[in-house]
Amino acid sequence: EMQLVESGGGLVQPGGSLRLSCAASGFTVNTNYMSWVRQGPGKGLESVSLIYIGGSTYYADSVKGRFTISRDNSKNTLYLQMNSLRPEDTAIYYCARDRRLDISVAGTGGFFDLWGRGTLVTVSS
Amino acid sequence: DIVMTQSPDSLAVSLGERATINCKSSQSVLHRSNNKNYLAWYQQKPGQPPKLLIYWASTRESGVPGRFSGSGSGTDFTLTISSLQAEDVAVYYCQQYYSNPPFTFGPGTKVDIK
Repeated sequence: EMQLVESGGGLVQPGGSLRLSCAASGFTVNTNYMSWVRQGPGKGLESVSLIYIGGSTYYADSVKGRFTISRDNSKNTLYLQMNSLRPEDTAIYYCARDRRLDISVAGTGGFFDLWGRGTLVTVSS
Repeated sequence: DIVMTQSPDSLAVSLGERATINCKSSQSVLHRSNNKNYLAWYQQKPGQPPKLLIYWASTRESGVPGRFSGSGSGTDFTLTISSLQAEDVAVYYCQQYYSNPPFTFGPGTKVDIK
């Protein structure tokens, strides 16, 4: 069974750092496009970061320069290093697989077909 | 960035009745090269992660009940629940994956039982 399990969330003061992990099972992270999507309290969904199969990365403007996405192929795990955290970063952070059925069309993306249960990050003093 | 809007914000439907949710994109998400609409729908129940229901605007994900259907093209899309069941109470989101990221979501539509 394919599964994603996030960990690493918690309470952190503004300006602090956290590293989120997402352990995958049933498929390999490095042969898939993988994303972090967050959901603020009572809010909608925001795509925060993406790592392509080739290793290129994308960041939303709201986190660019502060967050870093990476993966460890030997552990089949995705990471999100979050620095200089702000209260507005408070959210549930979901790890999600980005499935692309037609990669022949350049510049297009995918939909999120597998999600973890999420890990809560609270930034507060 | 492509902006997604949804209507209504919320709706209450009687059990067994039809629920219709609309989604609009600020630019077309129909790709001429393959004639596909890069639009997905998700269901999120309280305390759970989102669940993929539909992709390519109208293709049901494996295991999704047949009462869920998607339609539309270009900039205007609809998710229909043909006969609302109690377990369908949730927030529903549309998402475009047409262009380079960000792949934006709509603000969500909450569906309740009347």
